[in-house]
Amino acid sequence: EVQLVQSRAEVKKPGESLKISCKGSGYSFTSYWIAWVRQMPGKGLEWMGVIYPGDSETRYSPSFQGQATISVDKSISVAYLQWSSLKASDTAMYYCARHPGGDAFDVWGQGTMVTVSS
Amino acid sequence: EIVLTQSPGTLSLSPGERATLSCRASQSVSSSYLGWYQHKPGQPPRLLIYAASGRATGIPDRFSGSGSGTDFTLTISRLEPEDSAVYYCQFYGSSSYTFGQGTKLEIK
Repeated sequence: EVQLVQSRAEVKKPGESLKISCKGSGYSFTSYWIAWVRQMPGKGLEWMGVIYPGDSETRYSPSFQGQATISVDKSISVAYLQWSSLKASDTAMYYCARHPGGDAFDVWGQGTMVTVSS
Repeated sequence: EIVLTQSPGTLSLSPGERATLSCRASQSVSSSYLGWYQHKPGQPPRLLIYAASGRATGIPDRFSGSGSGTDFTLTISRLEPEDSAVYYCQFYGSSSYTFGQGTKLEIK
């Protein structure tokens, strides 16, 4: 079964760092892009960026460039989304999704809720 | 950057009726790169339609997509209570993966 399993929910303080993960299984992890999508409370879906595990090529949405960093460890089939200094406005649900190049996001992780509050 | 505008914002219909959801692009896009998702509270989004009219694996034939250029439509025939959700269109071409703002479908 093709799956993306994300790390657990996090509660952090402003200024703290965080790295959340997305582990793929049941398919060739290095052959499909992984996308990160944000959903702020009560709002819609926003794509943040995508990474190709095969060669780590990364593309960011202009809205998120510099806000967070996407990376991958293909040896363990895990993609990451990390922040060096969280803000309250980073509070959101974050989803990873599989993206066959040139096709829609066909498999989604269960989501990781990040809460940033003092 | 392509902007997708969905209408209506909210749609309230009864079981058995037909829902028609619209997605308009700010410029012409290839239908090969237009998808639709269903998103229910507490669940991740689910791909319904890819390439404007292709039904994803396991999606009932009550769901259908159509359109080209700047205007795309998701039609849900014979509505069921479990169809209550927010529906998003998405363009996924040219290294851009823009979502529309969503249409909330309520089943009375």
